[in-house]
Amino acid sequence: AQSVTQPDIHITVSEGASLELRCNYSYGATPYLFWYVQSPGQGLQLLLKYFSGDTLVQGIKGFEAEFKRSQSSFNLRKPSVHWSDAAEYFCAVTVNTNAGKSTFGDGTTLTVKP
Amino acid sequence: EAGVAQSPRYKIIEKRQSVAFWCNPISGHATLYWYQQILGQGPKLLIQFQNNGVVDDSQLPKDRFSAERLKGVDSTLKIQPAKLEDSAVYLCASSLDPGQGVAGELFFGEGSRLTVL
Repeated sequence: AQSVTQPDIHITVSEGASLELRCNYSYGATPYLFWYVQSPGQGLQLLLKYFSGDTLVQGIKGFEAEFKRSQSSFNLRKPSVHWSDAAEYFCAVTVNTNAGKSTFGDGTTLTVKP
Repeated sequence: EAGVAQSPRYKIIEKRQSVAFWCNPISGHATLYWYQQILGQGPKLLIQFQNNGVVDDSQLPKDRFSAERLKGVDSTLKIQPAKLEDSAVYLCASSLDPGQGVAGELFFGEGSRLTVL
């Protein structure tokens, strides 16, 4: 079965600094990869997704992620963090598009210092 | 476009009581999921429906949890009797039919937070 690991439970960055959140997956073939963001008391919102093609994908709110097959990674990046980016971020993998079932990592909580 | 609707947002019950959560997915979304999110963890799939049929309920504790999706639209998740470890946020999500080429992208409701005392 597929699995997702987010090694960093909590990350703190200063406003305006760059950000990278790590995600590693375990699956034999190329999965479908997603990053979601969850603000307190809210449901999850899709930031970006990778299905195929260009390994650098752009998402909403200025986020991007890069798929690296050799490292089984799909790290999320943002060049300049805003205070409103403080939230919890989840990486997810879907391996059977016919079923569409997604497996989520345990999330990384982002704190933004003023 | 209206999003995924869930109710109630919050529920506090005593252990061994029962509770039910309701979800109305985005119009036209054939697939509906119930996820359990325990504090500090990512969402864990409980059950997946395709229209009104169950696709995957392998992680649903069937001795106490049940779910139905009558007429292939809204869905109800029930817990009876509740245990302390059922305290969590129950998230409903929906997605288009995978055959339409956007498989796996989930649209989530705001969740129903359950506290079992």
